[in-house]
Amino acid sequence: ETGVTQSPTHLIKTRGQQVTLRCSSQSGHNTVSWYQQALGQGPQFIFQYYREEENGRGNFPPRFSGLQFPNYSSELNVNALELDDSALYLCASRPDRASTEAFFGQGTRLTVV
Amino acid sequence: QQQVKQSPQSLIVQKGGISIINCAYENTAFDYFPWYQQFPGKGPALLIAIRPDVSEKKEGRFTISFNKSAKQFSLHIMDSQPGDSATYFCAASEPGGSYIPTFGRGTSLIVHP
Repeated sequence: ETGVTQSPTHLIKTRGQQVTLRCSSQSGHNTVSWYQQALGQGPQFIFQYYREEENGRGNFPPRFSGLQFPNYSSELNVNALELDDSALYLCASRPDRASTEAFFGQGTRLTVV
Repeated sequence: QQQVKQSPQSLIVQKGGISIINCAYENTAFDYFPWYQQFPGKGPALLIAIRPDVSEKKEGRFTISFNKSAKQFSLHIMDSQPGDSATYFCAASEPGGSYIPTFGRGTSLIVHP
């Protein structure tokens, strides 16, 4: 059984650019959430996908968007990057949206310069 | 508005000592309280979790104490080891929120040999 994998591991982008981060959920998991973790802070919920539909959204602007594919993998897209978007982006999968335990990937470290 | 408040921000203990991290919450709809452990460069991993119908849960050297009336819960690490050095996050979630965890800001624990 493979765990949650994210790509790329590290990324440097310029302010104003767009970025796409990818996540492969754990086998058998249909629910994927994305989190932003700023340095020294706890993960902040961005949004969640359940069976390809957005199933909850945190307090993030519309330039943060996502997708979930039929195999339950997911993408996080961020447009018009700002310096404050620099953070560790974490993906977590759960067997189902009613499951309590979230399994996290290792994250993508995004630096915006 | 921070729904889960965690303290202390950092903690240094000697090997063999007891590490105690505290959290408080406001939302009475929360009914699942996990603790996550995060090592540098890794995503958070579930350490131990509790439901509000019990006041204590122990797994090996890790114990959660839960006080429903005070809306507080804490993590105790007995016989702390250098390998326990990591960042610890408390979290809380509710069924109405699809069990999406709300995280505290984290506690950086250093255990000196």
